Amino acid sequence: GENVEQHPSTLSVQEGDSAVIKCTYSDSASNYFPWYKQELGKRPQLIIDIRSNVGEKKDQRIAVTLNKTAKHFSLHITETQPEDSAVYFCAASKSPGGGKLIFGQGTELSVKP
Amino acid sequence: EAGVVQSPRYKIIEKKQPVAFWCNPISGHNTLYWYLQNLGQGPELLIRYENEEAVDDSQLPKDRFSAERLKGVDSTLKIQPAELGDSAVYLCASSLAVGGSEQFFGPGTRLTVL
Repeated sequence: GENVEQHPSTLSVQEGDSAVIKCTYSDSASNYFPWYKQELGKRPQLIIDIRSNVGEKKDQRIAVTLNKTAKHFSLHITETQPEDSAVYFCAASKSPGGGKLIFGQGTELSVKP
Repeated sequence: EAGVVQSPRYKIIEKKQPVAFWCNPISGHNTLYWYLQNLGQGPELLIRYENEEAVDDSQLPKDRFSAERLKGVDSTLKIQPAELGDSAVYLCASSLAVGGSEQFFGPGTRLTVL
């Protein structure tokens, strides 16, 4: 069935360093890949997304790359700040705008000042 | 603009009791989703509505779970009877349409079944 694997489950970095979170999806028909940030006790919020016709997308300190051949996509955060500390979820969907999102297991990012 | 509203935020019940969760999506959003989020896991879709029609309920345990969105606006998710394993956060999300639109999540209802 549809599955999204996310690694690592926890990630600790020093402030100012970069953080990379990787996801692999199983359904080759997936064509929409959002990333959500969820702070403790709060709702998931979309931080960036990418569609299958694009290999890379960047928004300030955040970038996402997609390799459709390998069915692999990654989140890159540069110049990390303590407020980046949260749980990050990747997801995949066969619908360009969302539809049924299959989420990864989450990565707990801790940025130490 | 108000976001997705859910109530209650927290609910504690005894097993075998019924429970209901309510969601009011962002105004104008015709697609509504209910997700289940277990501790330390990503959300899992339970049901998706397009207006008042449930278009994907394949993951909804229909023996004990039910949902409705009678007028195509707010929605209710019910569990009857609740089991210990139902303890989780129930998230509601909405979007303008399935194609080309971000899903906005509500704050969730944290259910504890004792």
